Amino acid sequence: SQTIHQWPATLVQPVGSPLSLECTVEGTSNPNLYWYRQAAGRGLQLLFYSVGIGQISSEVPQNLSASRPQDRQFILSSKKLLLSDSGFYLCAWSPGPLHNSPLHFGNGTRLTVT
Amino acid sequence: QQQVKQSPQSLIVQKGGISIINCAYENTAFDYFPWYQQFPGKGPALLIAIRPDVSEKKEGRFTISFNKSAKQFSLHIMDSQPGDSATYFCAASTDYQLIWGAGTKLIIKP
Repeated sequence: SQTIHQWPATLVQPVGSPLSLECTVEGTSNPNLYWYRQAAGRGLQLLFYSVGIGQISSEVPQNLSASRPQDRQFILSSKKLLLSDSGFYLCAWSPGPLHNSPLHFGNGTRLTVT
Repeated sequence: QQQVKQSPQSLIVQKGGISIINCAYENTAFDYFPWYQQFPGKGPALLIAIRPDVSEKKEGRFTISFNKSAKQFSLHIMDSQPGDSATYFCAASTDYQLIWGAGTKLIIKP
C-alpha cells in the first residue's frame, strides 16, 4: 500500500533562518506531488505542485521554493524565513490528475517562526 | 469563477442528529467534487466524492447531494457521532486544480 512520510512534525525556527521540509511517498511511482499551507483555523493554500522529476509549478509567489530531486521525494525550502511563513505545511500526492483521483495527505509539519 | 463557497463556518449538532454542510461553485468546468475530513494535527483525508452526472452518493452515514443546475452540493452526516467532530472541506476539481472551500468546524455534542 502507498504511504506518505513528512518530517519533521513540528519545527520552531528564528526569522531569517533557512528551512527544509521533506516529503517522501512509498508504494507508487510517478505520483503527482503537492505542498499546501494551512493557516490556523483556515483553509488550504496550494503552494507548489509537481507532475514529474524537476517539474515544479508555483501557485503563490513568495520566499519559498520546492524541488523534486527524485520521483517520490518533494522538498520545500526557504533561504530566509519570515514571521508570515508560520503555519501548518502539508505534503500530498495523487496518482493522477485531480479530477480522476484522490489527494492523499501526510500528517503535516507545524512550523512556528519566532 | 474559481471560488468554492462553503457554509456554515462552524456547526454544533447533538449526537444522533443530522449534520449538513453546504457548498456552492461558479465554474461549470468542475467535474469532480470531493469532501475531505480533517482531525486536529492531521492532514485531511478523502471522505466521499461525487461527479456531476450523479445527483446523490451515499457511503454509510455520509451522503453527498448534488444540484447541477443550482451549482450547489452538500454533505449530510446522518446519526452524527462525537467521533465525527472534525473540520470538513468541500472542493471542486478540474485536471490538476483543486479549489477548496474554507472549511466547516463540526462539533457533535454527546
